Amino acid sequence: TQLLEQSPQFLSIQEGENLTVYCNSSSVFSSLQWYRQEPGEGPVLLVTVVTGGEVKKLKRLTFQFGDARKDSSLHITAAQPGDTGLYLCAGGTGRRALTFGSGTRLQVQP
Amino acid sequence: DVKVTQSSRYLVKRTGEKVFLECVQDMDHENMFWYRQDPGLGLRLIYFSYDVKMKEKGDIPEGYSVSREKKERFSLILESASTNQTSMYLCASTKGTSPLHFGNGTRLTVT
Repeated sequence: TQLLEQSPQFLSIQEGENLTVYCNSSSVFSSLQWYRQEPGEGPVLLVTVVTGGEVKKLKRLTFQFGDARKDSSLHITAAQPGDTGLYLCAGGTGRRALTFGSGTRLQVQP
Repeated sequence: DVKVTQSSRYLVKRTGEKVFLECVQDMDHENMFWYRQDPGLGLRLIYFSYDVKMKEKGDIPEGYSVSREKKERFSLILESASTNQTSMYLCASTKGTSPLHFGNGTRLTVT
């Protein structure tokens, strides 16, 4: 089983701070997705990256896929309480099902 | 908008009971998945199905089985529930390489 390790596991910050979440693996992925899950709901896709070195921006969120396609990062600028949730990375390998990371629980205090 | 509906939000069952978790999607997706979610472990794949009556084992299939008699419905079965199957269960569906669409989960407690 291919493993995706996320760090940190928990993060509690004040509104307005910046943060970065990391997703690392020893395996190469054909694509990498980031999801956010809020309490009582299923995960919802934020972004998909497919090319090594690719950078995508979604408002205050910046996603990067590593050059070797083994790692990814999510950077949030000026975090807001609405960013609170569980962030999950998921790697695609060509088989039909994604492999998910262990998750990063983010709490943004007002 | 795709809707994935899981029949129960909360279930409490006794050890040894047979448990059925139901999932229905309304967008004609061919692929359906069952994951379980535990703190610090992320989502782990139990089973998935890429067509009616087709199924494949995921990473943790032991103690579970599945049924897909119709394209829109994918059932997860715990033949004899055990306490270590207490968890959040998430169903998802997708078509081709489109993103996963998840249901809101079923929180199962086995006592």
